[in-house]
Amino acid sequence: GENVEQHPSTLSVQEGDSAVIKCTYSDSASNYFPWYKQELGKRPQLIIDIRSNVGEKKDQRIAVTLNKTAKHFSLHITETQPEDSAVYFCAATSTTDSWGKFQFGAGTQVVVTP
Amino acid sequence: NAGVTQTPKFQVLKTGQSMTLQCAQDMNHEYMSWYRQDPGMGLRLIHYSVGAGITDQGEVPNGYNVSRSTTEDFPLRLLSAAPSQTSVYFCASSYSSDLSSYEQYFGPGTRLTVT
Repeated sequence: GENVEQHPSTLSVQEGDSAVIKCTYSDSASNYFPWYKQELGKRPQLIIDIRSNVGEKKDQRIAVTLNKTAKHFSLHITETQPEDSAVYFCAATSTTDSWGKFQFGAGTQVVVTP
Repeated sequence: NAGVTQTPKFQVLKTGQSMTLQCAQDMNHEYMSWYRQDPGMGLRLIHYSVGAGITDQGEVPNGYNVSRSTTEDFPLRLLSAAPSQTSVYFCASSYSSDLSSYEQYFGPGTRLTVT
């Protein structure tokens, strides 16, 4: 089955700096890679996702890159703000082979200090 | 449109007791799933369903049962609660056939403690 590893487990950044979180996956059949943000005591919410036919996707200050050959994908947050402080999870699944079997990474606690 | 709802929000059980965590969605989503969240371990998939009458096991299914008799509801049953099942449980749903989005919408969670 799929295995997703996420690094780092914690990340402290100064406000205005960039943050990068990396995930690796094992199953070459995986073709959908979402990122979720979870604030303390809240439910996870999708912030960006990417499919295997795309190498990069941006949405304002966040971007995701995918390297299918190396089987890794990364979340980039630029110009970080205190409200970016949260736990971020990556995930992977195949939309064709065993659809619905999402595998999540262990999460990255991001702390943005003013 | 309430989205994904879960009941109860909090529950304390004694070892050996059984109970059902309720999950419902009003978005006509085909796909529904249950996760447990433990510190440092992310979200682990327990069971999922791609439509009414269809369920499958996730990563950590032991000790849990599910059924999907309607599109709206996906209850999770704990057969005989154990302290290892102390966790926060999230239900989620999404379209499975809508090729424009695979976004999962999560419920607010149920915090379960087994003593």
